[in-house]
Amino acid sequence: DAGVIQSPRHEVTEMGQEVTLRCKPISGHDYLFWYRQTMMRGLELLIYFNNNVPIDDSGMPEDRFSAKMPNASFSTLKIQPSEPRDSAVYFCASSGQGALTYEQYFGPGTRLTVT
Amino acid sequence: AQKVTQAQTEISVVEKEDVTLDCVYETRDTTYYLFWYKQPPSGELVFLIRRNSFDEQNEISGRYSWNFQKSTSSFNFTITASQVVDSAVYFCALSEPGAQKLVFGQGTRLTINP
Repeated sequence: DAGVIQSPRHEVTEMGQEVTLRCKPISGHDYLFWYRQTMMRGLELLIYFNNNVPIDDSGMPEDRFSAKMPNASFSTLKIQPSEPRDSAVYFCASSGQGALTYEQYFGPGTRLTVT
Repeated sequence: AQKVTQAQTEISVVEKEDVTLDCVYETRDTTYYLFWYKQPPSGELVFLIRRNSFDEQNEISGRYSWNFQKSTSSFNFTITASQVVDSAVYFCALSEPGAQKLVFGQGTRLTINP
């Protein structure tokens, strides 16, 4: 079975540009998570969805960040406008099905560099 | 509030040595789950184990073993006869049922030298 798929794997953009990161969760999983990893702050949960509905977005740093999950097989994390401090590795993870399974399976990550 | 502490920032050992990675957690809940993940140099996060708070049995999987002690709020990870391929950053994490959120420790960078 395919794991969590993320694209692009690497993104270099200039400050002020819009960035869109994409994620396809494992088929059948009903939870989807977006994390950010930096040297300074480690792994931080940004937002997570259950059955395509955002459940907790308290980790989203500010209004420049937004996430959507239009269907069970696709989610996006958008940063507009991007800033150099947004440079990080962004991971998508999924878990499911139902409340009994808690291990999260992570995608390969998107390394974002904002210059 | 939940918290996970991995006090060892970096560990370096010679191949074939045994090594233990420490994890101490804080939670006010009586029901919770603990996890270990591995992040090799390639960057992906690989799930290793999940343990629930009602199961204090130690677990062994090949060269890996985990020691869960509620009395000391610890969930330590031991690699026996370490190999170069074990070199990675290892993360301990905690979650509460229903919350689905993982709280990660800062990670321990393990280097196995040939």
